[in-house]
Amino acid sequence: GAVVSQHPSRVICKSGTSVKIECRSLDFQATTMFWYRQFPKQSLMLMATSNEGSKATYEQGVEKDKFLINHASLTLSTLTVTSAHPEDSSFYICSARILGQGGDWTFGSGTRLTVV
Amino acid sequence: AQSVSQHNHHVILSEAASLELGCNYSYGGTVNLFWYVQYPGQHLQLLLKYFSGDPLVKGIKGFEAEFIKSKFSFNLRKPSVQWSDTAEYFCAVRPGAYNTDKLIFGTGTRLQVFP
Repeated sequence: GAVVSQHPSRVICKSGTSVKIECRSLDFQATTMFWYRQFPKQSLMLMATSNEGSKATYEQGVEKDKFLINHASLTLSTLTVTSAHPEDSSFYICSARILGQGGDWTFGSGTRLTVV
Repeated sequence: AQSVSQHNHHVILSEAASLELGCNYSYGGTVNLFWYVQYPGQHLQLLLKYFSGDPLVKGIKGFEAEFIKSKFSFNLRKPSVQWSDTAEYFCAVRPGAYNTDKLIFGTGTRLQVFP
């Protein structure tokens, strides 16, 4: 079935550097994708809604200049963590709704970011 | 503030015991409701969902949930758990259904089932 492919699955970066996480919809087009952050043993916190061809919509408290989202095509959304700090270390998950197939949401396998 | 609450943070059961996980939400109006499961090291999987109709929803792997509108609740149940049900369970709400596709998740419940 339709899935969302997320890459990389793990990344370690130094403080102050930027990291890009990709989320691709396979076999379907996603005009909207969602980015979540999951802290250890906690829930998924919605960070932002990525809209193809337009600006992302950020949830309250999420720094849009820190977490840059680009959704340049109907199958690709990227999240860039800029000037990463250790407190940005977390598990990032993307999601999209599969329209036309019962309307279920599909989730990426996640990216474990560790900032050292 | 609007939210999704799961009151059971950690549940420990023996195999064959019955399970009920609570989920309450504070969004008004029409909502869609979901339960997801996350097995260790795996991505989220849909257990069941409620959009409309019969408030008792049956999902995969023997799970079911009941939507009680007056209580703003959507509790998950399974009559007899198995060791393989050990996982993290998340309730999710699509607030203002049909106006947004974003899902808001509860805090999660960690279920441990011992043989």
